[in-house]
Amino acid sequence: QQPVQSPQAVILREGEDAVINCSSSKALYSVHWYRQKHGEAPVFLMILLKGGEQKGHDKISASFNEKKQQSSLYLTASQLSYSGTYFCGTEKGDNYGQNFVFGPGTRLSVLP
Amino acid sequence: DVKVTQSSRYLVKRTGEKVFLECVQDMDHENMFWYRQDPGLGLRLIYFSYDVKMKEKGDIPEGYSVSREKKERFSLILESASTNQTSMYLCASSFGVRGEQYFGPGTRLTVT
Repeated sequence: QQPVQSPQAVILREGEDAVINCSSSKALYSVHWYRQKHGEAPVFLMILLKGGEQKGHDKISASFNEKKQQSSLYLTASQLSYSGTYFCGTEKGDNYGQNFVFGPGTRLSVLP
Repeated sequence: DVKVTQSSRYLVKRTGEKVFLECVQDMDHENMFWYRQDPGLGLRLIYFSYDVKMKEKGDIPEGYSVSREKKERFSLILESASTNQTSMYLCASSFGVRGEQYFGPGTRLTVT
């Protein structure tokens, strides 16, 4: 039931782009993205709802393909501050508490 | 600023002890969550509460119980701690069913 994230880890140089994918075997109502820096609490990035458009947050944007049951997070011109673990959280739409599940995370390292 | 606080950053308990982890939020959020975070597994939902005295089981409720007597406070209880409950425990709160979740700093629990 946990969504699958790929890649598990990625290493970038500052200024490079990255894509993190999140896919589910179940139909989804929403996808949430969070970033957790080492030793800190996860922080919300954005939520994408079924039927909604692509969202953006500074140079970080995301898309949600309902038919494919997957979402992608795009990090453009990455900065050192982007380093951390990115989690997607997926919701099937009914009985939220039992159906909101985080993925295992993608560790992103941005090097100077 | 939303603030979610947890009673302890680090906790060491013995097998069989009863353990209380407390979480307090100051933004009048209806929803509160307890997660455990283990390497490679991401954030797994233990329990979720959408109102005072209301709770729902998450993915891994076995061995845990919760209490929410006041809106701002959500407690996680380990009735008889076991070594496989050694983990990082994160509390979160949100306004609205699909709202942004605000996380506390976490409690690293070690059961010996």
